[in-house]
Amino acid sequence: NAGVTQTPKFQVLKTGQSMTLQCAQDMNHEYMSWYRQDPGMGLRLIHYSVGAGITDQGEVPNGYNVSRSTTEDFPLRLLSAAPSQTSVYFCATKKQGVKWTDTQYFGPGTRLTVL
Amino acid sequence: GQQVMQIPQYQHVQEGEDFTTYCNSSTTLSNIQWYKQRPGGHPVFLIQLVKSGEVKKQKRLTFQFGEAKKNSSLHITATQTTDVGTYFCAGLDSGAGSYQLTFGKGTKLSVIP
Repeated sequence: NAGVTQTPKFQVLKTGQSMTLQCAQDMNHEYMSWYRQDPGMGLRLIHYSVGAGITDQGEVPNGYNVSRSTTEDFPLRLLSAAPSQTSVYFCATKKQGVKWTDTQYFGPGTRLTVL
Repeated sequence: GQQVMQIPQYQHVQEGEDFTTYCNSSTTLSNIQWYKQRPGGHPVFLIQLVKSGEVKKQKRLTFQFGEAKKNSSLHITATQTTDVGTYFCAGLDSGAGSYQLTFGKGTKLSVIP
């Protein structure tokens, strides 16, 4: 099993460009989420999904879109990149989207720079 | 909204010294999780605490959950260079319908050999 995979590992964008960060998991987990990590800020939740067809906003959703058409994939779209979106992005999954959390598994991350 | 404060932000210790990081929530938590992130890596789950006053041990690591379920601590005995990294706590608000973990900003541990 590959676990949680993210592509690309590194990306440089110009302001205004759009792109999609990919996240895939082969653990049949219902819950998937996206975090961004900035120096001194810890991990902040962008969007999450408790199952296919269901998404919701986290703490910092502005400038990002998500969709969940399958259990396995949860892409994160930047519609018009801004320098403030320079960050490390982590996808994370867990077995069930229930109130009592299970172990959360993080992908290796995507390091994004917006010029 | 819920806030999770973690202190200290940085800690430098000599190898063999003990280390403790503290986590405090503004609200009562359903549970709390601890993660370790090595430099350049991704967060890796260490443990979850659920019960009030719970104490769990993993070799040299001791995790505690406060009686009021609003604070937690991670203590490492006799640190080693392999303990280097950033330690995060993450809490789930006990409010109804909440699926969102709130992470502390982490404590970055450096171990001087």
